[in-house]
Amino acid sequence: QLQLQESGPGLVKPSETLSLTCTVSGGSISRSTYYWGWIRQPPGKGLEWIATIYYSGSTYYNPSLKSRVTISIDTSKNQFSLNLRSVIAADTAVYYCASSSGGITMKVWGQGTLVTVSS
Amino acid sequence: DIQMTQSPSSLSESVGDRVTITCQASQDITNYLNWFQQKPGKAPKLLISDASNLQTGVPSRFSGSGSGTDFVFTISSLQPEDIATYYCQQYNNLPYTFGQGTKLEIK
Repeated sequence: QLQLQESGPGLVKPSETLSLTCTVSGGSISRSTYYWGWIRQPPGKGLEWIATIYYSGSTYYNPSLKSRVTISIDTSKNQFSLNLRSVIAADTAVYYCASSSGGITMKVWGQGTLVTVSS
Repeated sequence: DIQMTQSPSSLSESVGDRVTITCQASQDITNYLNWFQQKPGKAPKLLISDASNLQTGVPSRFSGSGSGTDFVFTISSLQPEDIATYYCQQYNNLPYTFGQGTKLEIK
């Protein structure tokens, strides 16, 4: 049973970089046809897709964030990561990592981690 | 970007009622539509993919239909544990976009 767990700082200062890691257990991150992604949810608001990476390394970004976002995979650690640069208060949100099991739809989600951008 | 418009934004129904939520896409997305359920403080849970494909383990009272731009999500008989916010999501085009959500409450 695939399980995902987000980790990273809960507080980031404006203009700095938000870095989150998703640790995958119960399966290999190199699994063929799997996609891995990040979605966020500002407090009290709806869901926003941020980025997705294919097992092969192909990446897909939300154009509204593309200039500030990098998603990457570390197969040696069975993890994938999100970096969001030059953060502002509007980047405050619960960040979820998620995975598909073939196809693009995110079927397995982490529990989410709240990141607050504040000085 | 494809805009996903859900209706209503909130609703209050009684246990046993039939509940219907609609989702309209701003352009044709064929059947590339998911429905998620999110309970307070929890991650979203995928209920339906490809507009009508019920995920394994999801109760059969949940169903989805539609294609093109108009989609419907139905709970045939509302149960207390169905209290949640429901989101549609299209994955036909990047960026993958969500509806604004429908908050379902018990009357």
